Amino acid sequence: LAKTTQPISMDSYEGQEVNITCSHNNIATNDYITWYQQFPSQGPRFIIQGYKTKVTNEVASLFIPADRKSSTLSLPRVSLSDTAVYYCLVGDEGYSTLTFGKGTMLLVSP
Amino acid sequence: NAGVTQTPKFQVLKTGQSMTLQCAQDMNHNSMYWYRQDPGMGLRLIYYSASEGTTDKGEVPNGYNVSRLNKREFSLRLESAAPSQTSVYFCASSEAGENIQYFGAGTRLSVL
Repeated sequence: LAKTTQPISMDSYEGQEVNITCSHNNIATNDYITWYQQFPSQGPRFIIQGYKTKVTNEVASLFIPADRKSSTLSLPRVSLSDTAVYYCLVGDEGYSTLTFGKGTMLLVSP
Repeated sequence: NAGVTQTPKFQVLKTGQSMTLQCAQDMNHNSMYWYRQDPGMGLRLIYYSASEGTTDKGEVPNGYNVSRLNKREFSLRLESAAPSQTSVYFCASSEAGENIQYFGAGTRLSVL
């Protein structure tokens, strides 16, 4: 699996847009980019997945530039309940194991 | 709409005791996984089962055994618990060939 690099932590305030960037310089042609969210005392939860350009769902948007060496998870108008650890993973559609790094701890304050 | 169910939620063991962590999923997924998560760390894969009847080692399999009892259930056994196995254990499942995994709530294990 391609190695990923993301910030250890980020701070934000309620109502702001938060962008978390993940670097994956050695991403392979068949790799997808997947983001998970983990709240304290819970298991990770799938947020969004993309291959190129932009993907949007009811929770977040994922922006992927043409070279695919990085990706940005965008959370619109965060609330206190978005405080969590966010993990970026890269791998091909068929891979059966996941490698989680330490993720990005997002703290949203009032 | 249970998804992935893990039991127990909490457990305290003494060094040398054995126990089995249970996991069941109701999504008819073929693949199941066991991870451990230590404080401040990401998840590390212990064992996985790509399909019923098969199991494979992950990144940190030493000290653990698994059983894929049927398509729904995948158990993790600690034969002789050690303090280094104090951790939070997560079970997950996915469709075969899918890289989107669904996680249980976790089992918090302390080994004294």
